[in-house]
Amino acid sequence: AQSVTQLDSHVSVSEGALVLLRCNYSSSVPPYLFWYVQYPNQGLQLLLKYTSAATLVKGINGFEAEFKKSETSFHLTKPSAHMSDAAEYFCAVGGGSQGNLIFGKGTKLSVKP
Amino acid sequence: GAVVSQHPSRVICKSGTSVKIECRSLDFQATTMFWYRQFPKQSLMLMATSNEGSKATYEQGVEKDKFLINHASLTLSTLTVTSAHPEDSSFYICSAQTSGGSETQYFGPGTRLLVL
Repeated sequence: AQSVTQLDSHVSVSEGALVLLRCNYSSSVPPYLFWYVQYPNQGLQLLLKYTSAATLVKGINGFEAEFKKSETSFHLTKPSAHMSDAAEYFCAVGGGSQGNLIFGKGTKLSVKP
Repeated sequence: GAVVSQHPSRVICKSGTSVKIECRSLDFQATTMFWYRQFPKQSLMLMATSNEGSKATYEQGVEKDKFLINHASLTLSTLTVTSAHPEDSSFYICSAQTSGGSETQYFGPGTRLLVL
């Protein structure tokens, strides 16, 4: 069975500050891990994915995430927040036989000027 | 590349009517398409998985006779909400994948359904 826990439902940072969005996973098979971003009334856009290659994954818009097996974590970071980063972020785990994704509950990121 | 479209983007219908939502992969062939439902301020919940040319696999608790899924080609899947009721009002999102496992799912922009 697979599951994802996003530890924060809401994160607020100032523009230019570090962004840290936390995600922990549980998987009985080697996981594939994803971060998606959703802007209001839109679908999901892939930020990055981990598929057992490099543990530090770089994505779009300056985001990156590090896979830590010992901590079963896949936290998303960005060194300097921009106003345009304000959105809902979803962590997801895949790799099961069905190919479907299991999503976390999402973290809403607010960026203050 | 990897663009998925949905149509319509927004639909309002009367209770008891049926609504069809289309999901298309525009520049790739999708062996698998997924349909999700998202309630306000909540995460995506998988409704069903459809593979081209075969019957969809529904998640537990999803009524297959109410949410009809057809995946007639490698670029098109449709979701029909039959006899819609106000509680069916939601944001429906599809995704498409070239193959299973580590392949990325590409998401459509979603369809906002409001049943009056």
